[in-house]
Amino acid sequence: DTEVTQTPKHLVMGMTNKKSLKCEQHMGHRAMYWYKQKAKKPPELMFVYSYEKLSINESVPSRFSPECPNSSLLNLHLHALQPEDSALYLCASTTPGFYNEQFFGPGTRLTVL
Amino acid sequence: DQQVKQNSPSLSVQEGRISILNCDYTNSMFDYFLWYKKYPAEGPTFLISISSIKDKNEDGRFTVFLNKSAKHLSLHIVPSQPGDSAVYFCAGSNFGNEKLTFGTGTRLTIIP
Repeated sequence: DTEVTQTPKHLVMGMTNKKSLKCEQHMGHRAMYWYKQKAKKPPELMFVYSYEKLSINESVPSRFSPECPNSSLLNLHLHALQPEDSALYLCASTTPGFYNEQFFGPGTRLTVL
Repeated sequence: DQQVKQNSPSLSVQEGRISILNCDYTNSMFDYFLWYKKYPAEGPTFLISISSIKDKNEDGRFTVFLNKSAKHLSLHIVPSQPGDSAVYFCAGSNFGNEKLTFGTGTRLTIIP
């Protein structure tokens, strides 16, 4: 299994809602990532988990809250988002500390109204 | 500070010809580079990588060249095919650092 899956594919939420994005991989990767991508821009790193511990937080606002329940799952909890948070949210995984490519999921297209 | 730059936002190439995508970087600590391909509404897909100890890496139709002194890398696709139409991102990294720093991307269009 060389796939990273993300659910849901699309999400529309209001600014007062609470929602979660989910990511799953079964490649045995112990590093997992959340990226945000706006149109015509490169993926922008948000968080990195390494061996289920948060290793990098790129100064992301607290309305985004990551969680890594186990080595295969990664969640991103969303609360009180702003319209400018509308973007494609990508999950990726890789083997920590080595020159390995990151495997990306298809993304969740988030729209905040 | 854009540490990885792709100065051509778009490129059009005739089918069957060579596509050359360029990337420049400023961070001397980068010692590993990757190219990703992205279709709309999908996640990026890894294409090819190169370590700084090499100056060329080839995989089928794809070849990446690295010029360390110029801090420049390029991706050659030959022959170009319609399915190659996508946005291409180059990315830099260094050993022990889990971060990839992506360039701004080049949209490649292959003209049949």
